[in-house]
Amino acid sequence: AQSVSQHNHHVILSEAASLELGCNYSYGGTVNLFWYVQYPGQHLQLLLKYFSGDPLVKGIKGFEAEFIKSKFSFNLRKPSVQWSDTAEYFCAVNGLNTDKLIFGTGTRLQVFP
Amino acid sequence: KAGVTQTPRYLIKTRGQQVTLSCSPISGHRSVSWYQQTPGQGLQFLFEYFSETQRNKGNFPGRFSGRQFSNSRSEMNVSTLELGDSALYLCASSLDRPRNTEAFFGQGTRLTVV
Repeated sequence: AQSVSQHNHHVILSEAASLELGCNYSYGGTVNLFWYVQYPGQHLQLLLKYFSGDPLVKGIKGFEAEFIKSKFSFNLRKPSVQWSDTAEYFCAVNGLNTDKLIFGTGTRLQVFP
Repeated sequence: KAGVTQTPRYLIKTRGQQVTLSCSPISGHRSVSWYQQTPGQGLQFLFEYFSETQRNKGNFPGRFSGRQFSNSRSEMNVSTLELGDSALYLCASSLDRPRNTEAFFGQGTRLTVV
């Protein structure tokens, strides 16, 4: 079955701490991978995406993610978080022949000054 | 250019009623997908439309239906509303295949069923 697992449901950090959010997927075939962010009261926005090529992808606001095919993982990282990174983060996957996104359950990140 | 527009933003309905939600995709985008977001179930896929054809459907009862018009605008309808249908309904649009593309989301319609 197609699924996405996000292991961290709620993460609390202080500003300047490093962040790593886990994402593992189960999907037959070649996949596209995404991280979306939902700031309080705002719509889902794309942080970064992986379609092919370099498995280390860089997104907006200093975020990056690494696709490790052997581990079916696409973990999100940021070396130093800011208070403004407080949001909910969603990992998602789709196949090459569909726009249907399968989302993880999300990770709520709270950053304290 | 304008983003994905969903109307209305908020809606309150009573059990048993039906509701229609609207989505206008980004200009040039021909694929439209709908998702239901709830605290308990997260983001769940409802349907995907491309060129007025339903290309994919999620595991929702037949009370949930949708359609896409020739201008790519889409509507979804929920009949015989239940309390459990209270959710944020999100629409996303993307360019058509075969290129790998990303989905752009609207702000959603918050449906409350009382």
